[in-house]
Amino acid sequence: DIVMTQSPDSLAVSLGERATINCKSSQSVLSSSNNRNSLAWYQQKPGQPPKLLITWASTRESGVPDRFSGSGSGTDFTLTISSLQAEDVAVYYCTQYFNIPWTFGQGTKVEIK
Amino acid sequence: EEQLVESGGGLVQPGGSLRLSCAASGFTFSSYWMHWVRQVPGKGLMWVSRIKGDGSITTYADSVKGRFTISRDNAKNTLYLQMSSLRAEDTAVYYCVRMLDRDFWGQGTLVTVSS
Repeated sequence: DIVMTQSPDSLAVSLGERATINCKSSQSVLSSSNNRNSLAWYQQKPGQPPKLLITWASTRESGVPDRFSGSGSGTDFTLTISSLQAEDVAVYYCTQYFNIPWTFGQGTKVEIK
Repeated sequence: EEQLVESGGGLVQPGGSLRLSCAASGFTFSSYWMHWVRQVPGKGLMWVSRIKGDGSITTYADSVKGRFTISRDNAKNTLYLQMSSLRAEDTAVYYCVRMLDRDFWGQGTLVTVSS
């Protein structure tokens, strides 16, 4: 199985400041068939199911604010929130869909400082 | 309006069985792979199983293989998860998910395995 490791486990950021979450996979998730990374990011708020933010490592879903961006390739990925808003308080998960079983990172809790 | 509504969760003893259902509406159910993902309350997410739109392909996480069976009835727009030989570590909220492809999650149903 591909192991997904996120860092940090939690972070506190001031409103309007940048938040950066890292995700590392135990093997490359870059597909040779389409040259895209099979990596997605989800946001989960308390009491709610996860919400998909980004697919293919950097493609933002429709309706997701442009302060959210994804980057990286191969085994190292980053989710950046460029200017943290109060409504961004949540747990964020990366997931790979390159291999079965699809696997998630352990989650990163983002709070307001 | 698209909906995924899970049901069938509850308290079951170790070694017991339970069948979860997920009623889909508002989209062409048979066109999509469907997944089950679980989450221990307060913990992370774990992918459990998936099934192709026509039901011809199923895959499972190793931890549930041989104990859980995913199926679907496209005439009833319903996804199922038959769970048997349940263990305490299967305790979780189980989500029915149309994953990644027009991603959409149900609200989940809680399964508690305890004596």
